[in-house]
Amino acid sequence: RKEVEQDPGPFNVPEGATVAFNCTYSNSASQSFFWYRQDCRKEPKLLMSVYSSGNEDGRFTAQLNRASQYISLLIRDSKLSDSATYLCVGDGSSNTGKLIFGQGTTLQVKP
Amino acid sequence: DAGVTQSPTHLIKTRGQQVTLRCSPKSGHDTVSWYQQALGQGPQFIFQYYEEEERQRGNFPDRFSGHQFPNYSSELNVNALLLGDSALYLCASSLAVSSGANVLTFGAGSRLTVL
Repeated sequence: RKEVEQDPGPFNVPEGATVAFNCTYSNSASQSFFWYRQDCRKEPKLLMSVYSSGNEDGRFTAQLNRASQYISLLIRDSKLSDSATYLCVGDGSSNTGKLIFGQGTTLQVKP
Repeated sequence: DAGVTQSPTHLIKTRGQQVTLRCSPKSGHDTVSWYQQALGQGPQFIFQYYEEEERQRGNFPDRFSGHQFPNYSSELNVNALLLGDSALYLCASSLAVSSGANVLTFGAGSRLTVL
C-alpha cells in the first residue's frame, strides 16, 4: 500500500463548478501535509499547506482529518486555469524535507 | 532572485550508460533533495544533501549517487542506466532549519530518456 494515496482521475468539470479531491495517508506519525499543483511537463509548485483547523486561500480550501488520516482540497468556482495535476503530499513523520507524494489527481476544467 | 536551476533540461542515453545531472539551489538555501518522477506518478524521494553529505536516502539502488559542493550546488549521477530510469528528475532546495525544512522549491527538472 502506498503511503499517500489519491484517485488519479481525471476529473472533468465545467467552468464554475465546485470540485473536491481526497487523499489518504497511512503513516499516522506524519506531521505536515501539503497540496502541490503541477502543470503538464512542469515542476510541482506549492499550492497550500494543510492544517487540522482547515485553511482557505481564495477559492481553495484544504482540510486535514487526523482521526481518519484523510486530506481534502476543495476548489470553488473552477477556472480553465485550474486545469492541472494536484499532488497530495505528506512529510512521512519527518521534518527534514523528505516529502512523500501521492500519484496526483488530474483536473480538467472545460468551458 | 534566481530559483532552482537544473541542467540539462533534456537528454537521451542508451542502456548501460552513465548520466550526471546538475542543480543550483535557490539563493539562501543550503539543502538539496533529488526526486524521480516517472510518467503518471508522483515524485519519489531519491536522496538529500546537506553540508556536502548525504543526509537521508529513499529506496533507490546504489547506482544512484550524488554530491554536494561547497557552494551548495549538487549533482545526481546514475550508472548502468536501465530503461526504467527514464523519468523527470527534479531537484528541490530548502533550508535545513526545522521551520523551513519542508518548504521545498523545485527546479524545472531534467527529462531523461533511456533507449
